Amino acid sequence: KQEVTQIPAALSVPEGENLVLNCSFTDSAIYNLQWFRQDPGKGLTSLLLIQSSQREQTSGRLNASLDKSSGRSTLYIAASQPGDSATYLCAVNSQGAQKLVFGQGTRLTINP
Amino acid sequence: ETGVTQSPTHLIKTRGQQVTLRCSSQSGHNTVSWYQQALGQGPQFIFQYYREEENGRGNFPPRFSGLQFPNYSSELNVNALELDDSALYLCASSWDSLYGYTFGSGTRLTVV
Repeated sequence: KQEVTQIPAALSVPEGENLVLNCSFTDSAIYNLQWFRQDPGKGLTSLLLIQSSQREQTSGRLNASLDKSSGRSTLYIAASQPGDSATYLCAVNSQGAQKLVFGQGTRLTINP
Repeated sequence: ETGVTQSPTHLIKTRGQQVTLRCSSQSGHNTVSWYQQALGQGPQFIFQYYREEENGRGNFPPRFSGLQFPNYSSELNVNALELDDSALYLCASSWDSLYGYTFGSGTRLTVV
């Protein structure tokens, strides 16, 4: 059974800092891993999708890495801005599972 | 691309009632999934439909049921509502899970 853990649960940093969010999963037999952003009370916005054969993906100030053998992914946010404040969720699409398994999220606050 | 739209955005129901939530998937997406997200938690998989057939189900009782229609719309039905059913319900669609999922903005259900 796939389990996904995100640490820390909450993070507060001053504007301009670079930061890393962590995601770990227990079963390395995955198709891909997807990072999402969720604003309070809203739906999920896809940020990055990493296939199991890839090591990293980049979009603007965001970079996601994947180490399937160790069951870890990180989301790197460069030059953080107050608008980056949100909850960040990682979700794993396991082989044969027909579903996404989510972590509980990291609630990020960027202070001006 | 039209994205994924869900209706209604909010609703309040009384314990024991029945509710139907609706989702319009992105055009061309044959797969639709439904997730339940309790406050402060990651989304939990309810079930998935592919070309109008259920092809995956999470740990939810039979009073949670669904339908998918040929026009890329789908429904989540919940019978005999319980207080614990209060949550944000998210619909997600995909052309192929290898290419990731697109989520809607969700329906906030409150059971009183």
